[in-house]
Amino acid sequence: GDSVTQMEGPVTLSEEAFLTINCTYTATGYPSLFWYVQYPGEGLQLLLKATKADDKGSNKGFEATYRKETTSFHLEKGSVQVSDSAVYFCALSDHTGANSKLTFGKGITLSVRP
Amino acid sequence: GAGVSQSPSNKVTEKGKDVELRCDPISGHTALYWYRQSLGQGLEFLIYFQGNSAPDKSGLPSDRFSAERTGGSVSTLTIQRTQQEDSAVYLCASSFLSTGSNNEQFFGPGTRLTVL
Repeated sequence: GDSVTQMEGPVTLSEEAFLTINCTYTATGYPSLFWYVQYPGEGLQLLLKATKADDKGSNKGFEATYRKETTSFHLEKGSVQVSDSAVYFCALSDHTGANSKLTFGKGITLSVRP
Repeated sequence: GAGVSQSPSNKVTEKGKDVELRCDPISGHTALYWYRQSLGQGLEFLIYFQGNSAPDKSGLPSDRFSAERTGGSVSTLTIQRTQQEDSAVYLCASSFLSTGSNNEQFFGPGTRLTVL
């Protein structure tokens, strides 16, 4: 079945540091890939997505590139801010039939120090 | 406009009791999903509704779990004879469509269920 593997956390960085959060996936077919973010006290929000190989999703300074050859969708940001402190989830949707259910990784907590 | 809303935000119940969790999707969204977020299992899909089609119940963990969606809008997730392992945050999401470019899922704030 489908699965998503994220690097273990938590991650603590200083403001303006470079961020990479690794994500790899296993899926049949050609899934869409997502990063969701959950800020403290808030619900899950879509951060960015990519729907086909070599697509790059980007939002709020975050980027991730859909790499079919390595089945990866690593999240990067060049300079993190305190406001980026949140839990980040990598997810996929394999579009089996009409159900675009999401399969999530376990999530990783990012804390950014001033 | 209003986002996905869920009620109650918190629910504490005793083992063996039944509970009902409610989800109000975004108006006009045809697809509705329930997920469960627990410490041991992460975020798991439970059930999916699309319009008037039969729901996809493949993620429900046991026959104690059921859900319905009345009138294509509000959905209720029912857990009968709750067990301690049912303790989790139950998330609802809706999307305009289930496929294509309008399939982004918008999540509600969740219901935190604690079974004592």
